Amino acid sequence: DSGVTQTPKHLITATGQRVTLRCSPRSGDLSVYWYQQSLDQGLQFLIHYYNGEERAKGNILERFSAQQFPDLHSELNLSSLELGDSALYFCASSVGQGGNNEQFFGPGTRLTVL
Amino acid sequence: GQNIDQPTEMTATEGAIVQINCTYQTSGFNGLFWYQQHAGEAPTFLSYNVLDGLEEKGRFSSFLSRSKGYSYLLLKELQMKDSASYLCAVRGASNDYKLSFGAGTTVTVRA
Repeated sequence: DSGVTQTPKHLITATGQRVTLRCSPRSGDLSVYWYQQSLDQGLQFLIHYYNGEERAKGNILERFSAQQFPDLHSELNLSSLELGDSALYFCASSVGQGGNNEQFFGPGTRLTVL
Repeated sequence: GQNIDQPTEMTATEGAIVQINCTYQTSGFNGLFWYQQHAGEAPTFLSYNVLDGLEEKGRFSSFLSRSKGYSYLLLKELQMKDSASYLCAVRGASNDYKLSFGAGTTVTVRA
């Protein structure tokens, strides 16, 4: 158990819908990262927040957005869902931002878009 | 951009040694990580290299050569539970905090 929690564990929805994925980092960690893992693309970085501020953006679609709240939990919002958005979404947290700050991954949310 | 290559699959026998290679071409370099991921589960941290040389941690060792853009993960005394995907990840420039992951190497340990 990494100490990072994600809800829900599984999510099944239809195309065109909107969902929110939630992540609580390990106690004391200020950084939250979101990753998408699909079968054909491997683990792809989406976005990074540090202490409430966005720090880096990866290949995140405009239909996706995220935020980190004052209590440091984070939410990833996915809208106008398409079949291709079906994937495992991981949240990771770390104490700081760079260097050897190990990222601890949550158990993931498996999103299925039908 | 980032380009990280590792073999897709490897098979080895229980008790043996396996070496997983990773080559990278990145814009800047600020460390290389190895993660283990069992199917459907979260990646878990194995090792971190930022300077050239070998880092040893029990049965697992990781090596880095920055001039060659090359790393390997060495798994010794293989156990059945080591069957998993092994992900090589690179952190780019010092102000770029994201990890760029390779596609992963699936290691199958046979009895």
